[in-house]
Amino acid sequence: NAGVMQNPRHLVRRRGQEARLRCSPMKGHSHVYWYRQLPEEGLKFMVYLQKENIIDESGMPKERFSAEFPKEGPSILRIQQVVRGDSAAYFCASSTGGNQPQHFGDGTRLSIL
Amino acid sequence: SQQGEEDPQALSIQEGENATMNCSYKTSINNLQWYRQNSGRGLVHLILIRSNEREKHSGRLRVTLDTSKKSSSLLITASRAADTASYFCATPEGPTDSWGKLQFGAGTQVVVTP
Repeated sequence: NAGVMQNPRHLVRRRGQEARLRCSPMKGHSHVYWYRQLPEEGLKFMVYLQKENIIDESGMPKERFSAEFPKEGPSILRIQQVVRGDSAAYFCASSTGGNQPQHFGDGTRLSIL
Repeated sequence: SQQGEEDPQALSIQEGENATMNCSYKTSINNLQWYRQNSGRGLVHLILIRSNEREKHSGRLRVTLDTSKKSSSLLITASRAADTASYFCATPEGPTDSWGKLQFGAGTQVVVTP
């Protein structure tokens, strides 16, 4: 049973470009969560989605960031017009429900030149 | 501000020794979870302790929870080199029994030398 798959593992973008991060949850999981981790820090919650719905986006920056989890296909975290401060590791987790343990992917390391 | 804060920030021990790390939190919780993160990898769920539990064991791991002091500890007994990792505590924020939004501390980096 494959775990949470994130791609790409590493992504390099220039300032002003768009970054798209993908997350395929574990089989049977319909709840997806995105977190951001800066160096030497813990993970910071960004958004919690269920199929086609955003449950909690209280951790998402108000501008440039968006997330979706369509009926078919992976969840996408999209960052428009990236800036240097967006450089971080972005982790996706999935679960079978909002009160079940979260299983994490290995993250996407985003570097902004 | 962070909900959970781990102490110490870093810990270096030799194989066979025990490693203890602590986590303090600020608001009432439904449960507290501990995760491990190996370098360059995602987090692995280790153990969950509910607010009505005081101690829980899983293999070489022992977790305690003191809700009156708003603190938890993670003990790794008979450590191995493979235990080298960062350890995070996390608490859910949101409606009761909802784990959707986890709040993590900054972690304790544990290095176990042979």
